[in-house]
Amino acid sequence: KQEVTQIPAALSVPEGENLVLNCSFTDSAIYNLQWFRQDPGKGLTSLLLIQSSQREQTSGRLNASLDKSSGRSTLYIAASQPGDSATYLCAVKNQAGTALIFGKGTTLSVSS
Amino acid sequence: NAGVTQTPKFRILKIGQSMTLQCTQDMNHNYMYWYRQDPGMGLKLIYYSVGAGITDKGEVPNGYNVSRSTTEDFPLRLELAAPSQTSVYFCASRSGGAGYEQFFGPGTRLTVL
Repeated sequence: KQEVTQIPAALSVPEGENLVLNCSFTDSAIYNLQWFRQDPGKGLTSLLLIQSSQREQTSGRLNASLDKSSGRSTLYIAASQPGDSATYLCAVKNQAGTALIFGKGTTLSVSS
Repeated sequence: NAGVTQTPKFRILKIGQSMTLQCTQDMNHNYMYWYRQDPGMGLKLIYYSVGAGITDKGEVPNGYNVSRSTTEDFPLRLELAAPSQTSVYFCASRSGGAGYEQFFGPGTRLTVL
């Protein structure tokens, strides 16, 4: 059974720092991996989608990498801003299934 | 495009009451999903649909029912509400194929007292 783990559960950094959020998964047979952002009391906003054949995706200050063989993905946020404060969720889509399997998320707080 | 919309945004139910959570998408997506999110936990799949008239159970289907009569709508029905169903419910959709990203609605926050 696929399990997705995100470490750390919470992270606090000062504004301007570069940071890395980690996501690991137990079954490397995935179709894709998706990173989401969730603001308190809000829905999920898709940030980046990495297909299983890709190594990384970039959008603005965000860069997500994927290493299927080791079952790991990282989300790199450059020059963090207070507006980046949110919970970041990682989710994988298995080859055998049609739905996403989520980690519990990392709650990021960026102080000014 | 409005994307994925959900109603209501908030609801308080008494134990044993019934209600339907509405979900509509205007992107002509075949695949639709219902998830629940409990505090400090990741999202768990309740039911999903791969097209009109086709639905299937996810990881936590007990206490819920769904139907999919049109491509746009995917309502979730709670028949006899229980405190364990207090949660935030998210509807999502995606287009066909294995690699396409999912789009989520804003959620319905349900409390059962």
